[in-house]
Amino acid sequence: EVQLVESGGGLVQPGGSLRLSCSASGFTFSGYTMQWVRQAPGKGLEYVAAISSNGGFTYYADSVKGRFTISRDTSKTTLFLLMSSLRPEDTAFYYCVKGRTSGWYIPFDCWGEGTLVTVSS
Amino acid sequence: EVVMTQSPATLSVSQGERATLSCRASQGVSSDLAWYQLKPGQPPRLLIYGASIRATGIPARFSGSGSGTEFTLTISSLQSEDFAVYYCQQYNNWPPLTFGGGTKVEIK
Repeated sequence: EVQLVESGGGLVQPGGSLRLSCSASGFTFSGYTMQWVRQAPGKGLEYVAAISSNGGFTYYADSVKGRFTISRDTSKTTLFLLMSSLRPEDTAFYYCVKGRTSGWYIPFDCWGEGTLVTVSS
Repeated sequence: EVVMTQSPATLSVSQGERATLSCRASQGVSSDLAWYQLKPGQPPRLLIYGASIRATGIPARFSGSGSGTEFTLTISSLQSEDFAVYYCQQYNNWPPLTFGGGTKVEIK
C-alpha cells in the first residue's frame, strides 16, 4: 500500500524557518515525480513545489521561489521542503503528493494526510 | 497560466440524487484533466484522470466527461460519504499545474 506521512509542521514566527519531511513507502520512490501542494484555511489548492524522479530538476511557484527548497533522499525514501523567510500567508496545510508517473504533466494519485504550518507572532 | 473555473461554488443535493459539477479551462487542455475529492480529516483522493478514467478503487457512480475547455464530474446517486469538496486540475500546461477553486457538495 502506498503511504505518504508528513511531519515537521508547527507554529513559527514570521521570518522563521521550518523543514517538512515526507516518508514514502509502498512504491519505488525513485521512479516518481514528487510534489508539495498546500491549502490555506478556507482557500483552494496551490501547487507549491515539485521535484523530478532523479532529483535533478525542480519547480517552485512564484509565491515561494527563493524562499523554499524541495529535495529528496532516495536512500531514505523521504521528500523534504525547507521553508525560510516564512510569511503569514504561508500558513496552510502542506500535503506531500506522489505523481502518477515520472513526468511533469501528470495527475497526483496519492496524497499524504498533510501537516499544518502556522506562521504567526 | 491556465485558469480553472469551477461552478457552482456550492451544490446542495439530497442523498440518492445526481450531482453535476462543472470545470472550465481558460484555454484548451485536451483531456488532461483530473478530479479530486477532499474531506475533512482525510487526505485528498484522486477520482478521475484523463477527463474520464476512474482511478483505482473509485466507485462507478463517479464519472467524468469533456475535453478541451469544458469538463463535468457526475455523481450518479449521492451517498453520505460523497459530501465533500471537489477540485478539478489541469495537467496539460506546465508550469504550473493549476487547480480550480472547488465545489462543495452539501446535504440538501
